[in-house]
Amino acid sequence: DSGVTQTPKHLITATGQRVTLRCSPRSGDLSVYWYQQSLDQGLQFLIQYYNGEERAKGNILERFSAQQFPDLHSELNLSSLELGDSALYFCASSVGVGGEKYFGPGTRLTVT
Amino acid sequence: AQSVTQPDIHITVSEGASLELRCNYSYGATPYLFWYVQSPGQGLQLLLKYFSGDTLVQGIKGFEAEFKRSQSSFNLRKPSVHWSDAAEYFCAVGEGGSNYKLTFGKGTLLTVNP
Repeated sequence: DSGVTQTPKHLITATGQRVTLRCSPRSGDLSVYWYQQSLDQGLQFLIQYYNGEERAKGNILERFSAQQFPDLHSELNLSSLELGDSALYFCASSVGVGGEKYFGPGTRLTVT
Repeated sequence: AQSVTQPDIHITVSEGASLELRCNYSYGATPYLFWYVQSPGQGLQLLLKYFSGDTLVQGIKGFEAEFKRSQSSFNLRKPSVHWSDAAEYFCAVGEGGSNYKLTFGKGTLLTVNP
């Protein structure tokens, strides 16, 4: 158990819908990262937040957005969902801006 | 742009045999390199990392990796594989000289035969 929690574990929704994925980092970690794992693209970095501020951005679509709240938990919002958004979404956390990352168990999103 | 190549999609070894998983990277400066393991239904766990110094890095679970700059490689090794090592293994490089944006390879699935 990495200490990073993600909810829900599974999510099934229809195209065009909007969903919110939630991540709670390990106690004391200030950075949260979001990754997408799909069969065709592999593991891709989406976005990083550090202490509430956006720190780095990767291959995140405009339909996707994230935020980190004062209690340091983070939410990833996915809107206008398409079939291709079906993937495993991982959250990771670390103490600082860099440093060793601890990954959560992931949220499996299925868009039908 | 940096990239990571894991040439072997799937490897099968017998329990007790030695293991080497290949990883090649493309990066302009000195890379930060990582190996992660993902068991079914689990998140990724860091096995080991290389930032600088000794090119042979020891990790958890008896794994080691060797950084070879001349070959742009960071291969993962284990002298004797256990059935519990069956999982998917990912090599990653830290972008921008730090490790907060990781670029991952496509992964190598390891099957262990009894």
